[in-house]
Amino acid sequence: TQLLEQSPQFLSIQEGENLTVYCNSSSVFSSLQWYRQEPGEGPVLLVTVVTGGEVKKLKRLTFQFGDARKDSSLHITAAQPGDTGLYLCAGSSGANNLFFGTGTRLTVIP
Amino acid sequence: GAGVSQSPSNKVTEKGKDVELRCDPISGHTALYWYRQSLGQGLEFLIYFQGNSAPDKSGLPSDRFSAERTGGSVSTLTIQRTQQEDSAVYLCASSPEGLSYNEQFFGPGTRLTVL
Repeated sequence: TQLLEQSPQFLSIQEGENLTVYCNSSSVFSSLQWYRQEPGEGPVLLVTVVTGGEVKKLKRLTFQFGDARKDSSLHITAAQPGDTGLYLCAGSSGANNLFFGTGTRLTVIP
Repeated sequence: GAGVSQSPSNKVTEKGKDVELRCDPISGHTALYWYRQSLGQGLEFLIYFQGNSAPDKSGLPSDRFSAERTGGSVSTLTIQRTQQEDSAVYLCASSPEGLSYNEQFFGPGTRLTVL
């Protein structure tokens, strides 16, 4: 089993603040994805990173894949209430399934 | 087009009963995945289908769990003799290819409660 640990597990911040969520593993992944899940819905893909050291930006969200492809981070600038949700990282080692992280539940308070 | 649909959305059953959960993937998607999510937690992989075959059943927690897919489309996950620890949200996802870095499109899930 390839474990992906996310930190923090819970995060509650004020609108406009910045935050970073971490996804760490002792395993190397060929690719890593970030998903956001809202209550009563399935996760929705935000981004896929493939190359070690890769940085991708999606509006106010910045994703980074570690140089060794064992970890990743998600940084949100000027958080909005619409960013509230469960953020999940998911790694692949080339097999046909994804190993999902433990999740970070973000609440942005207006 | 239509997304992944799952039924029922909620299922309450008594311990020891059998349940069937259904997943309708996006039309044309060859890969189908089942996951289990405990309250507010990450996803636990259960099984993967490529077409009608299941090359990876490694995540099924016990022999009470089984799944099938027919016609390369609809899939059913069956849990026999349900136990209270089976209570969770069961999520289905589909993907246009069986490649792991392809986006997986998730359904809304079936919330199973075993009393």
